[in-house]
Amino acid sequence: ILNVEQSPQSLHVQEGDSTNFTCSFPSSNFYALHWYRWETAKSPEALFVMTLNGDEKKKGRISATLNTKEGYSYLYIKGSQPEDSATYLCASRTNFGNEKLTFGTGTRLTIIP
Amino acid sequence: ETGVTQTPRHLVMGMTNKKSLKCEQHLGHNAMYWYKQSAKKPLELMFVYNFKEQTENNSVPSRFSPECPNSSHLFLHLHTLQPEDSALYLCASSQGDERGEKTDTQYFGPGTRLTVL
Repeated sequence: ILNVEQSPQSLHVQEGDSTNFTCSFPSSNFYALHWYRWETAKSPEALFVMTLNGDEKKKGRISATLNTKEGYSYLYIKGSQPEDSATYLCASRTNFGNEKLTFGTGTRLTIIP
Repeated sequence: ETGVTQTPRHLVMGMTNKKSLKCEQHLGHNAMYWYKQSAKKPLELMFVYNFKEQTENNSVPSRFSPECPNSSHLFLHLHTLQPEDSALYLCASSQGDERGEKTDTQYFGPGTRLTVL
């Protein structure tokens, strides 16, 4: 994998259901993986930064896991609520010594009441 | 509210106009960034300033000219743009330090929606 890829591109989930989606990134020269939540007409909001293989982070009903050897991260949302509707972005950073984040195109999540 | 503000939120300009986008951060950060998001494309880094020095120019055409007068303010000067430059322009900031801490979270503004006619 040369770029950061996210799947699916969009997702509709019934309120109360749990869901998850994927971020794939280049595993070579990996340094950090960021997840952001972006509601329409607002600023992207940082959710997690993960660096270690096997890392798992949690924030309320949202959690994320990281596999740096195979180059993927999962984001999980438990018991989806309408306020979870947003685009979820992931971005990877390499250890090349610069500040560059490479973003995926995002997963657009819509919660159906 | 992330502590990063951008003005204007919307801008329509002709190809011969000169305009500027402004970003201000109230977080005491030392690094600031300009990103571009075109339709159905990922966020694309344009410029990075660390301690007011430009440390990254991601092959951006010269019709985009950044300016960072201090660590709280960042401008993007626009001159003779093309219709394909229409996009959402996002500013971000992070703590940064002289060692270039690489796990710093970037805090984003809400963006300026630019339309070039």
